[in-house]
Amino acid sequence: GNSVTQMEGPVTLSEEAFLTINCTYTATGYPSLFWYVQYPGEGLQLLLKATKADDKGSNKGFEATYRKETTSFHLEKGSVQVSDSAVYFCALNQGGKLIFGQGTELSVKP
Amino acid sequence: EPEVTQTPSHQVTQMGQEVILRCVPISNHLYFYWYRQILGQKVEFLVSFYNNEISEKSEIFDDQFSVERPDGSNFTLKIRSTKLEDSAMYFCASSENGRGPGYGYTFGSGTRLTVV
Repeated sequence: GNSVTQMEGPVTLSEEAFLTINCTYTATGYPSLFWYVQYPGEGLQLLLKATKADDKGSNKGFEATYRKETTSFHLEKGSVQVSDSAVYFCALNQGGKLIFGQGTELSVKP
Repeated sequence: EPEVTQTPSHQVTQMGQEVILRCVPISNHLYFYWYRQILGQKVEFLVSFYNNEISEKSEIFDDQFSVERPDGSNFTLKIRSTKLEDSAMYFCASSENGRGPGYGYTFGSGTRLTVV
């Protein structure tokens, strides 16, 4: 079946550091891919998405490119802020429902 | 911005008791979902609901679970006889057209259920 694997957390960075959170997937066909973010005490918010190979999703300085050849959708940000501290979930769309990765906690220190 | 509202935010219940988790989806949305996240584990799909019936359910969603849209605004998840392993964060989501996230698929902030 379809699945999503993320790098283990927690990830701790200093402010303005470069961020990469790895995500790989196993799927039949070419599902849409997503990154969700969960800030402390809040729900899951869609951060960005890509619907086909080579698409790049971007939002709030975060980017991820749909790589069919490596079945990956790594999340990157050039300069993180303390306010980016949250849990990040990679997910794919399987017929209207989401298959999530296990989440990666990011902690950004000033 | 429209929100999906879940209540309560935290519920503690005795093992074997029934619990009802409540959700108010966005008013013009037609598709509704429940997900759960056991502490430290993945967010998992439980069930989707459209036109007053279940459209898909996972193997987790066994006979102890049920969903209902009792009054046209609320969407509830009932667990009939809770077990310790039901302790988790439960997320409700709603969608305007069922095409999935990125097309108006909005999550609530979750209900943390603790079974003791």
